[in-house]
Amino acid sequence: AQSVTQPDIHITVSEGASLELRCNYSYGATPYLFWYVQSPGQGLQLLLKYFSGDTLVQGIKGFEAEFKRSQSSFNLRKPSVHWSDAAEYFCAVGGNFGNEKLTFGTGTRLTIIP
Amino acid sequence: GAVVSQHPSRVICKSGTSVKIECRSLDFQATTMFWYRQFPKQSLMLMATSNEGSKATYEQGVEKDKFLINHASLTLSTLTVTSAHPEDSSFYICSVGPGPEAFFGQGTRLTVV
Repeated sequence: AQSVTQPDIHITVSEGASLELRCNYSYGATPYLFWYVQSPGQGLQLLLKYFSGDTLVQGIKGFEAEFKRSQSSFNLRKPSVHWSDAAEYFCAVGGNFGNEKLTFGTGTRLTIIP
Repeated sequence: GAVVSQHPSRVICKSGTSVKIECRSLDFQATTMFWYRQFPKQSLMLMATSNEGSKATYEQGVEKDKFLINHASLTLSTLTVTSAHPEDSSFYICSVGPGPEAFFGQGTRLTVV
């Protein structure tokens, strides 16, 4: 069965500092990997995705993530955070093409301090 | 990507009544839609897969008679919470996906009083 682990429940970062959110997955084949962001009371917005090819993927809002097969990881990074980045971040793993069922991690809440 | 509209965004109902939540795919014909439930400060848990023209597939532990799903067209799936109780209060989100990528509605906050 597929699973996703986000080890950090809550992270606090100063505005302008760099950010890395960790994600580890378990999946029997080549995974489809996603990072979503959720603001309070809102739905989920896709930040970026990995299907195949270049293991460093760029997303919206200046985010990037690197797929490391040997470590079963897909960590999210941003070189300089903005106050508007404060939100909940979810890593997810999906199945084969045509099966859009996703398994989510427990999420990481990001707080930005001035 | 797909544009997904969910309605209502918030609903308060009395215990014992039923509530219907709509999920519309505005620009994509979705043979499959997904319904998730999210408890406060927790992750999304898949409840069921809604299949156009056929019965929904429910995840283990989800009561089929409690959470009725109807997917009558390629653009609309509905989730009806029947005989709602306070423990059904939660955030419900639907998603559609043209391929393996999922696009989410804005969610529905259900409060049962």
